[in-house]
Amino acid sequence: DAEITQSPRHKITETGRQVTLACHQTWNHNNMFWYRQDLGHGLRLIHYSYGVQDTNKGEVSDGYSVSRSNTEDLPLTLESAASSQTSVYFCASSESGGATDTQYFGPGTRLTVL
Amino acid sequence: AQSVTQLGSHVSVSEGALVLLRCNYSSSVPPYLFWYVQYPNQGLQLLLKYTSAATLVKGINGFEAEFKKSETSFHLTKPSAHMSDAAEYFCAVSATGGGNKLTFGTGTQLKVEL
Repeated sequence: DAEITQSPRHKITETGRQVTLACHQTWNHNNMFWYRQDLGHGLRLIHYSYGVQDTNKGEVSDGYSVSRSNTEDLPLTLESAASSQTSVYFCASSESGGATDTQYFGPGTRLTVL
Repeated sequence: AQSVTQLGSHVSVSEGALVLLRCNYSSSVPPYLFWYVQYPNQGLQLLLKYTSAATLVKGINGFEAEFKKSETSFHLTKPSAHMSDAAEYFCAVSATGGGNKLTFGTGTQLKVEL
């Protein structure tokens, strides 16, 4: 069955370190998204991509970067981790760029920055 | 810009009672609205979505929602709560011409008591 996976599921790191969170989908979806989930804020969009070599900033992109070299993967990099980036991170994908398209979510990565 | 507001961060109901989770939207263009559910330690999954085809939308697990333009609302209901409905529920909006980006509400935690 097609799916979307994230790794690692849990990560503890130190302030200032570079961290990369992986997201891999086997649906062959064009669109991929990264969100962070924090209490009282719901999910907020970090970066998104509508296809290979396409990346765009979301609502809370400062301190994060993404690159899309193939259809299946959209890794999220924290250039220099900060305690404010402690959060649960979700990757999602959707088939097309239509406003009514369903997004399918991965299981999440819980990141703690000490 | 579009946004959604979920009234009540925590809702508690008895098993068998009506479930009502509130969502109001703000959008300068016709909105498309979604309800997602998140079970503990899992990603989000789609319950239902409004795509302008019909104002009353039926989703999975017996949930439904009605789009009311005059009230700018898209409340989620279920006639009879089950213990398995305990989860966090998110309302989200995307807008015509806005691609597939979603803006989420802050979530409502539903507790179902015996």
